[in-house]
Amino acid sequence: AQSVTQLGSHVSVSEGALVLLRCNYSSSVPPYLFWYVQYPNQGLQLLLKYTTGATLVKGINGFEAEFKKSETSFHLTKPSAHMSDAAEYFCAVSRTGGGNKLTFGTGTQLKVEL
Amino acid sequence: DTEVTQTPKHLVMGMTNKKSLKCEQHMGHRAMYWYKQKAKKPPELMFVYSYEKLSINESVPSRFSPECPNSSLLNLHLHALQPEDSALYLCASSQADNANYGYTFGSGTRLTVV
Repeated sequence: AQSVTQLGSHVSVSEGALVLLRCNYSSSVPPYLFWYVQYPNQGLQLLLKYTTGATLVKGINGFEAEFKKSETSFHLTKPSAHMSDAAEYFCAVSRTGGGNKLTFGTGTQLKVEL
Repeated sequence: DTEVTQTPKHLVMGMTNKKSLKCEQHMGHRAMYWYKQKAKKPPELMFVYSYEKLSINESVPSRFSPECPNSSLLNLHLHALQPEDSALYLCASSQADNANYGYTFGSGTRLTVV
C-alpha cells in the first residue's frame, strides 16, 4: 500500500525566504504524487502533480516540486515566500495502474512572518 | 466550468434531524467522492462513486447515506448524527475512475451537530 509522510507539522518562514515543505512516499509501485493547498475554511486546491516524465514539476503560485526516486521524496519548494502562502499543505499519493484512492499526508501548516 | 459546487456552506443540525448535503460538477468527471475532515487533520475518504455506482465505502456508519442521482450530482443524506460527526465535509471529482490526474475539490460544507 502507498503512503506519504510529511516531516514537520508546522513550518515558519520569513516573507521573501525559501519555502521547503518535505514529503516522502512509500509505494511498492511507481506512484503518482500531488501537493494540495488548503486555506482556512476552504476546500483543497491542487498545486501540482507528478505522474510520469520530467521529475521537476512546476505548479501554480510559483511552487515547484522534484520527484527523487532514489530518496523517495517529493519536496515542495518556492524561492520567495509571500504572506498569501500561509495555509495548510497536503502531500498525497495514488497508485499507478488506476484505482480511486488518494492517500493524504498529515499536512504541514505554513506560517509566513514579516 | 472547472468547479465543484457544494451546498450548503454551513449546516447546524440536531441529533434527531435529517438533512442532506449536495455536490455538483459539470466537468464531465465520472468519479465523485465524499471526504470528512476534522480540524487540523487530513481529509478522510468516506465514499467513492464511479460511473454513478458506489465503488468504495470506507466502513462509514449507516447514519451517512450517499446517493448519486446522475453523473453530475452527488448527495450525502444525514440522519441521527452524533456531535463527533461535526466536521468539514468535502466533495471531489476526478476524470474516469482513477485518481491519477488529481481531484477537484469543492469548498466544503461545515457541519455542526448539536
